[in-house]
Amino acid sequence: NAGVTQTPKFQVLKTGQSMTLQCAQDMNHEYMSWYRQDPGMGLRLIHYSVGAGITDQGEVPNGYNVSRSTTEDFPLRLLSAAPSQTSVYFCATSSGRNSGANVLTFGAGSRLTVL
Amino acid sequence: QQPVQSPQAVILREGEDAVINCSSSKALYSVHWYRQKHGEAPVFLMILLKGGEQKGHEKISASFNEKKQQSSLYLTASQLSYSGTYFCGTESGTGRRALTFGSGTRLQVQP
Repeated sequence: NAGVTQTPKFQVLKTGQSMTLQCAQDMNHEYMSWYRQDPGMGLRLIHYSVGAGITDQGEVPNGYNVSRSTTEDFPLRLLSAAPSQTSVYFCATSSGRNSGANVLTFGAGSRLTVL
Repeated sequence: QQPVQSPQAVILREGEDAVINCSSSKALYSVHWYRQKHGEAPVFLMILLKGGEQKGHEKISASFNEKKQQSSLYLTASQLSYSGTYFCGTESGTGRRALTFGSGTRLQVQP
């Protein structure tokens, strides 16, 4: 079982460039989310989805877009990268509260540097 | 709004105990605790769903005071393997499933 797979692991962008961070899961989890982690700031929620076709904003959504066309995939798009988006990005999934506990499984992370 | 964790950092000797606190200004449905080793992803430790509930696994336990919207993580007789950053994550009682994390507590256990 692969679990939660994030690609790429590392990426360097120039200001203004666009890119997509990929997140794929094979656990049939209905809930998927994206966090960014910056030193001293902990994990901050960017966007999340409770199922295919449903997305919602988290704490820091500006500059990021998401879509959820399938249960398995939840890509995070940066339309015009800025140096402030330099961070480590984590995708996290769970089977959802209805199953008894909204326990998150994290991907390995994607380290993004914007020059 | 992020929950508030304290302390920000702790340095222990092997065998010593530590307490990490987490408080929220919102009514909570649950509190989660995760540990992250340097360069790795956070890993789930435990979840507390009911007010006043206390859970434990070996020498790590936690409590949740629903009325005070607070949780504490207790690490007893610490081991070198306990080193890492601990995060509490809170799920509000409004039905919104998203988990909001505190800024973390860095724990270093020395020999």
